[in-house]
Amino acid sequence: DAKTTQPPSMDCAEGRAANLPCNHSTISGNEYVYWYRQIHSQGPQYIIHGLKNNETNEMASLIITEDRKSSTLILPHATLRDTAVYYCIVRVAGYSTLTFGKGTMLLVSP
Amino acid sequence: GAVVSQHPSWVICKSGTSVKIECRSLDFQATTMFWYRQFPKQSLMLMATSNEGSKATYEQGVEKDKFLINHASLTLSTLTVTSAHPEDSSFYICSARERGISYGYTFGSGTRLTVV
Repeated sequence: DAKTTQPPSMDCAEGRAANLPCNHSTISGNEYVYWYRQIHSQGPQYIIHGLKNNETNEMASLIITEDRKSSTLILPHATLRDTAVYYCIVRVAGYSTLTFGKGTMLLVSP
Repeated sequence: GAVVSQHPSWVICKSGTSVKIECRSLDFQATTMFWYRQFPKQSLMLMATSNEGSKATYEQGVEKDKFLINHASLTLSTLTVTSAHPEDSSFYICSARERGISYGYTFGSGTRLTVV
């Protein structure tokens, strides 16, 4: 699976949009971009995934650049409960394992 | 949505004893379950992959005789930490993949193990 690079930490004001970047310049054509988050002392939670088109669900939006070398997870209106470590993972769809990097620690403040 | 129940959520045990952690998929069949370990301020590290009815596949550096994994049914996998030592103290997390869903990885809430 391709390697990803994320900033170690980011801050966001409550109510504002949180934009979390991820670089995956070595991504292959059949690899998807997945986002998970882990709130302190809990198991990871699936957020969203995509291949090349932008995706949106009730939690977030995923914007993937046209060359697919980077992506951005957008939390449109961050709340204090969104404070967590966010992991960007690139993997081939199918039945391979999820490999977690260090992620981005997002701190949402009042 | 899919729910994975992990029990216990925390456990304290004496050095040299064994501890069993259960991971159950509550509303789906999980042909494959994964066990991770997470030390403080570190990311999740995959320990092993277990498939229902077969032996688990362990990652390099993980002792299979120390971390016993049993995946006897499509809804239950167990991790037993045998002869636990203080260095085994960690946050253990299971994950289950729903049968037929390639992207569906659901995680349990984790078990905090403290060995004293």
